[in-house]
Amino acid sequence: EPEVTQTPSHQVTQMGQEVILRCVPISNHLYFYWYRQILGQKVEFLVSFYNNEISEKSEIFDDQFSVERPDGSNFTLKIRSTKLEDSAMYFCASSEARQSVYGYTFGSGTRLTVV
Amino acid sequence: AQKVTQAQTEISVVEKEDVTLDCVYETRDTTYYLFWYKQPPSGELVFLIRRNSFDEQNEISGRYSWNFQKSTSSFNFTITASQVVDSAVYFCALADNQGGKLIFGQGTELSVKP
Repeated sequence: EPEVTQTPSHQVTQMGQEVILRCVPISNHLYFYWYRQILGQKVEFLVSFYNNEISEKSEIFDDQFSVERPDGSNFTLKIRSTKLEDSAMYFCASSEARQSVYGYTFGSGTRLTVV
Repeated sequence: AQKVTQAQTEISVVEKEDVTLDCVYETRDTTYYLFWYKQPPSGELVFLIRRNSFDEQNEISGRYSWNFQKSTSSFNFTITASQVVDSAVYFCALADNQGGKLIFGQGTELSVKP
């Protein structure tokens, strides 16, 4: 069964450093998402991406965050200058259609720890 | 505004008991999709079910069953004869009809003791 692949599975970074989280969505999917889950809390939407541009973003997704699909297969989330409160699990997801008729496939997540 | 509420933060049961996890949602969309995900201690999100708003039939899959009631905006999840491996956090989610994003509830942590 096709999978969404996220790398790395765990990243530790120093406060103020830039991090890039990588995702390889399912190849025929057109819609891509990033979600965040702070430890012990609910999963929160960050951003959706379609046709090489952001289609929606949440209040969490401020100027420190950016997304890119640099080569047609990878989908990356960059945090420019990490803060302690960015420590969380970050999930990438992809779907074939916007209205989720076919559902979403989630990656297994990247646990980001900012020290 | 769209919202998903899982009022039960934690539930603890003994193996073989039945347990129901509640989910109440709010949406102005007439067409929408509801989901349940399981998050085991390893952290990944495991898809359990997707239900569209036009289909109010209850669904059963092995020990799992789902009760969707539009009249009360609820989509409850029942595990019959629970097992220790069912211990996890369970999330109910609503798909936003405009942008497609998922709106998650707070999650219910289920602990099944032997």
